[in-house]
Amino acid sequence: GQSLEQPSEVTAVEGAIVQINCTYQTSGFYGLSWYQQHDGGAPTFLSYNALDGLEETGRFSSFLSRSDSYGYLLLQELQMKDSASYFCAVFTSGTYKYIFGTGTRLKVLA
Amino acid sequence: DVKVTQSSRYLVKRTGEKVFLECVQDMDHENMFWYRQDPGLGLRLIYFSYDVKMKEKGDIPEGYSVSREKKERFSLILESASTNQTSMYLCASSSPSRDRGGYEQYFGPGTRLTVT
Repeated sequence: GQSLEQPSEVTAVEGAIVQINCTYQTSGFYGLSWYQQHDGGAPTFLSYNALDGLEETGRFSSFLSRSDSYGYLLLQELQMKDSASYFCAVFTSGTYKYIFGTGTRLKVLA
Repeated sequence: DVKVTQSSRYLVKRTGEKVFLECVQDMDHENMFWYRQDPGLGLRLIYFSYDVKMKEKGDIPEGYSVSREKKERFSLILESASTNQTSMYLCASSSPSRDRGGYEQYFGPGTRLTVT
């Protein structure tokens, strides 16, 4: 079957660094993406990794290891507004569709 | 500013009713998607379309159908609504080229459907 595993909840304090891991098992793989969703809001795209390594975009970085079927999202200098759910998603080969993980709820404490 | 809009934010329907959810995007995207989102289950793909009048089943198509008569509009139809279709429904669109950002999906605000 196809599955993505990520922690259900992570808590951290303002200013800290947090890492959200994602392991996947899918048939066909083009890349790994991360989406952010605030309560009541729509998911918004954060990052996409097609090759191994680290991609940095401001305070957020995303990492992929294709050989380990593993990736993570790293959030630095946490702010209260980063409190949201974060979904990893595998972009599958052959089509333009995603398989989404079940999401990680990040709580940032003051 | 790119935009995906959905016809309703909240909808309450009775069991057995036919329900139409509409999605419109203004980005001239070829690909459009319908997901449902349930607590603890993430986003699950119902149907997607990569061109006008084209449709493909996603992971959970049972009980749903879709229509894509125009490029900008993708409709989700619940032929006979049931209580287990109570959920948040999200529409998304993307460009067709993987190398030109086709991996970035733009989501609408969602429709929270309650079937009683």
